[in-house]
Amino acid sequence: DAMVIQNPRYQVTQFGKPVTLSCSQTLNHNVMYWYQQKSSQAPKLLFHYYDKDFNNEADTPDNFQSRRPNTSFCFLDIRSPGLGDAAMYLCATSISGTSYEQYFGPGTRLTVT
Amino acid sequence: AQKITQTQPGMFVQEKEAVTLDCTYDTSDQSYGLFWYKQPSSGEMIFLIYQGSYDEQNATEGRYSLNFQKARKSANLVISASQLGDSAMYFCAMRERESGGYNKLIFGAGTRLAVHP
Repeated sequence: DAMVIQNPRYQVTQFGKPVTLSCSQTLNHNVMYWYQQKSSQAPKLLFHYYDKDFNNEADTPDNFQSRRPNTSFCFLDIRSPGLGDAAMYLCATSISGTSYEQYFGPGTRLTVT
Repeated sequence: AQKITQTQPGMFVQEKEAVTLDCTYDTSDQSYGLFWYKQPSSGEMIFLIYQGSYDEQNATEGRYSLNFQKARKSANLVISASQLGDSAMYFCAMRERESGGYNKLIFGAGTRLAVHP
């Protein structure tokens, strides 16, 4: 089945230790998104890729970076995680030019110790 | 600025009964889309239903229907015949119009639904 896959599902990292979260998709969608969702809050868009073009939200901290080496894969890098970065990170995909839904992965729950 | 408001932090419903989750939105755009997503405790966001601003009929998907009242700017989700597996967080979202063709979603704060046997 075509889907959005996130690995790992649970990630524990130490304060200040760089961490990378990965997302892959078999849907061949050209747009990929990264959301941060803190406990009991709505998802907040961090950035997205439209094809190879990277688009950062204005309030996304510099600590967060992303890479998209090809259509299928997208990575979220947190350079120096702080305790406040503990959250669920959701990857999503969509097709540009349509009105329809974003397809979400299962998320990676990040714990910072 | 576009905004989604969900005024019910939590809702309870008896199994097999219907429940309505409220959503109001604010936008000056003529063309927009409204979505409902379900998020179980496991974390994944599951797409439920979509309504386009120009759709004349209310959207339906199985037990889910969207009560779209454009003049009142409301897009309430109706779940018929609730099941225990419907217990989850529910988010209303609106597609923000952006140039370039990608869909930026603005989410409401969510409503936590608990279905009781």
